[in-house]
Amino acid sequence: DTGVSQNPRHKITKRGQNVTFRCDPISEHNRLYWYRQTLGQGPEFLTYFQNEAQLEKSRLLSDRFSAERPKGSFSTLEIQRTEQGDSAMYLCASSPIGSYEQYFGPGTRLTVT
Amino acid sequence: DAKTTQPNSMESNEEEPVHLPCNHSTISGTDYIHWYRQLPSQGPEYVIHGLTSNVNNRMASLAIAEDRKSSTLILHRATLRDAAVYYCILVRGGSQGNLIFGKGTKLSVKP
Repeated sequence: DTGVSQNPRHKITKRGQNVTFRCDPISEHNRLYWYRQTLGQGPEFLTYFQNEAQLEKSRLLSDRFSAERPKGSFSTLEIQRTEQGDSAMYLCASSPIGSYEQYFGPGTRLTVT
Repeated sequence: DAKTTQPNSMESNEEEPVHLPCNHSTISGTDYIHWYRQLPSQGPEYVIHGLTSNVNNRMASLAIAEDRKSSTLILHRATLRDAAVYYCILVRGGSQGNLIFGKGTKLSVKP
């Protein structure tokens, strides 16, 4: 197992289109987090899963955003009707129960034109 | 959530020690002090964490003030690969662990 993987690494889309990103966490990591990072800023928390249950969502996660982790393994983050302000790096992280150490993936860079 | 304050940027020479400070004057008794770093074009990477006592691992050392209102991340011999943004983050014990990142300290390492 080589770590958290995210696909695609880059996505360019036109405003108004829907996009979906995938995150594969480290095997047997129960916790999965999504963050968003814009240029020059630290990552901002979006949402958190423990196994398949989505336990917390940030106020940053508008109605256009939805995240799932159907079998408690990989997760998807969908953005509907993308806006230019959605352009950012979307980061996924995972951690095992009992540890606060998070392992981050390389991110998916979204550009909305 | 308790807030941390870090300098925007620091410079170091290669192979010299680096001390990265962090102030967290409103820290609560159950807050752990975590450090992550983010190399260019990569996701953040866990460095070290502690509660009250100083901690050492293969990457760095963490020195925590006695009153816990500040801490210092110590890189014993900086290399060019240590050039990154370093984030000091408080994580409440028993929480779900989502990280609240600030802007961090951008460390430049000169050869």
